[in-house]
Amino acid sequence: GESVGLHLPTLSVQEGDNSIINCAYSNSASDYFIWYKQESGKGPQFIIDIRSNMDKRQGQRVTVLLNKTVKHLSLQIAATQPGDSAVYFCAENQNFNKFYFGSGTKLNVKP
Amino acid sequence: DAMVIQNPRYQVTQFGKPVTLSCSQTLNHNVMYWYQQKSSQAPKLLFHYYDKDFNNEADTPDNFQSRRPNTSFCFLDIRSPGLGDAAMYLCATRHRGFDGYTFGSGTRLTVV
Repeated sequence: GESVGLHLPTLSVQEGDNSIINCAYSNSASDYFIWYKQESGKGPQFIIDIRSNMDKRQGQRVTVLLNKTVKHLSLQIAATQPGDSAVYFCAENQNFNKFYFGSGTKLNVKP
Repeated sequence: DAMVIQNPRYQVTQFGKPVTLSCSQTLNHNVMYWYQQKSSQAPKLLFHYYDKDFNNEADTPDNFQSRRPNTSFCFLDIRSPGLGDAAMYLCATRHRGFDGYTFGSGTRLTVV
């Protein structure tokens, strides 16, 4: 069978609260970053992206912050809903074609 | 409406028996990727095709091969599956390096 996986860090929040999910990336040359949401048994879904010439980008209920100095990304979700419960991955574009994924955070929204 | 389709959703294979997973896309994207995702882990890039050019990751085992007969289809061949190859296999596409990936729903491979 499948090998035992690592335990993902888990963030538990109350419905309606704001969530902040953090990610450290590895390559200072990465120029494009994406946050993905993955629900159980499904493929990752695009949430929001940011290019390295920006430090903040806002979407609907989501904001991504990029700190290139410390190679850190964060995803902020406003007014978190039960439907936001999933695993969240950041991905960095290390050359023109390839994305590498960070280790993931499980978001658990309590009603 | 499905744009990246992976078949089958679930595949059971015997230890050592070759297995092929398939991916098709209706997006006409020129780049296609295969990722392996084990339980509670991040997707790990195995290889990708830029048009017909195959690009292998340095740490992808030789046991894993891929074929892309045309723009729409890409196959992942596992020549001799071991128990450690049990995972979700994700196919993704991207258009000429713009924007992010579009992922399929994945194929969950079980090795018995």
